[in-house]
Amino acid sequence: EVQLLESGGGLVQPGGSLRLSCAASGFTFSSSAMTWARQAPGKGLEWVSTIIYGGGDGTYYADSVKGRFTISRDDSKNTLYLQMNSLRAEDTALYYCAKSRSGAVSDAFGVWGQGTMVTVSS
Amino acid sequence: DIVMTQSPDSLAVSLGERATINCKSSQNILYSSNNKNCLAWYQQKPGQPPQLLISWASSRESGVPDRFSGSGSGTDFTLTITDLQAEDVAVYYCQQCHSTPYTFGQGTKLEIK
Repeated sequence: EVQLLESGGGLVQPGGSLRLSCAASGFTFSSSAMTWARQAPGKGLEWVSTIIYGGGDGTYYADSVKGRFTISRDDSKNTLYLQMNSLRAEDTALYYCAKSRSGAVSDAFGVWGQGTMVTVSS
Repeated sequence: DIVMTQSPDSLAVSLGERATINCKSSQNILYSSNNKNCLAWYQQKPGQPPQLLISWASSRESGVPDRFSGSGSGTDFTLTITDLQAEDVAVYYCQQCHSTPYTFGQGTKLEIK
């Protein structure tokens, strides 16, 4: 069974940093593009970032987080990361990691984790 | 950026009836490598993560009831739910996977009339 388990969320002050992790199991992690998406309280879904499989510089970011967030992966640990710096109140959201349906970068998000909550507030 | 616009924002349908949700993209989302529209539909129930229902505009995921179907091409797409069941109450989102940023529609809230 494919499972994604996010962790690392919490309360942080504006301007602070957090690193989210997503532990993957049940599939060949190294062969799948992975994505972070978020959902502000009571709002819709927003794509945040995607990383391709196979190494290289295949990372993509929403304009709203470009230059502040960094997506990365450790295939030896089957773990996806999101380093979030210079956090703002508008980054407050439930952050989900998701697996590409087929593994390819341009495909639907086939499996989602339960999410980890990030709250940016003083 | 490709803007995804869903209609309606909410709808109420009687049990056993049909629900239709529309999604319009601001650009063509036909993926050249396979000649398919890169359009997905998700269902999100309260307190749960989204669940993929339909990929490539019309391909139903394994385990998804055949009451759910997707159609459309180019810039206009539709999710149809026939024989509406109580467990179908949820918010439904469309999403384009053609190009980054991978944008979602604003969501359509489906309720029972």
